[in-house]
Amino acid sequence: GESVGLHLPTLSVQEGDNSIINCAYSNSASDYFIWYKQESGKGPQFIIDIRSNMDKRQGQRVTVLLNKTVKHLSLQIAATQPGDSAVYFCAERSNNFNKFYFGSGTKLNVKP
Amino acid sequence: DVKVTQSSRYLVKRTGEKVFLECVQDMDHENMFWYRQDPGLGLRLIYFSYDVKMKEKGDIPEGYSVSREKKERFSLILESASTNQTSMYLCASSSGGGDYGYTFGSGTRLTVV
Repeated sequence: GESVGLHLPTLSVQEGDNSIINCAYSNSASDYFIWYKQESGKGPQFIIDIRSNMDKRQGQRVTVLLNKTVKHLSLQIAATQPGDSAVYFCAERSNNFNKFYFGSGTKLNVKP
Repeated sequence: DVKVTQSSRYLVKRTGEKVFLECVQDMDHENMFWYRQDPGLGLRLIYFSYDVKMKEKGDIPEGYSVSREKKERFSLILESASTNQTSMYLCASSSGGGDYGYTFGSGTRLTVV
């Protein structure tokens, strides 16, 4: 089946720096992607999404980039704050439009 | 605020017990899902449901069953709990089209001893 993977299991950044979290996906037919944030003891929460007909989408302090040529997704967090410390997942929507496949997650540590 | 509510945050059960994990959503979502989350393995789909009384196996259904008698409620059942079912269990729901992905509950951390 599909696989969604992350390059770095743990990322440590200094407060105020920008963070980049990467994700590789395998199904070139996937049409929709989401980044989730999971804080300790909580369920994953939606951060930002992007459709396959877009290359870039911006939110508040976050930007998602999609490179369909190499099947790569990234999440950029500007001016990283301690509250950004969490595990971040990417998810891709399969041909079955109700079903998403998740990566194993990257843990972001923000150092004060 | 829309919610997916899981009945228990922490559970400790004995091997061989029948375990019920309950999930309720208040968004009138058609789709509901049960995942387990283990370190290094990410989220793995156990079962999902697209409608009342309807269920489909996910990637790791062995040892589990589900029930969806009402649209808002999706229950995960461990027929005879085993220690390898110690995990974090996450319930999620989504609208029919899947846009905006899933809304997750806070999870139930189950320990089987």
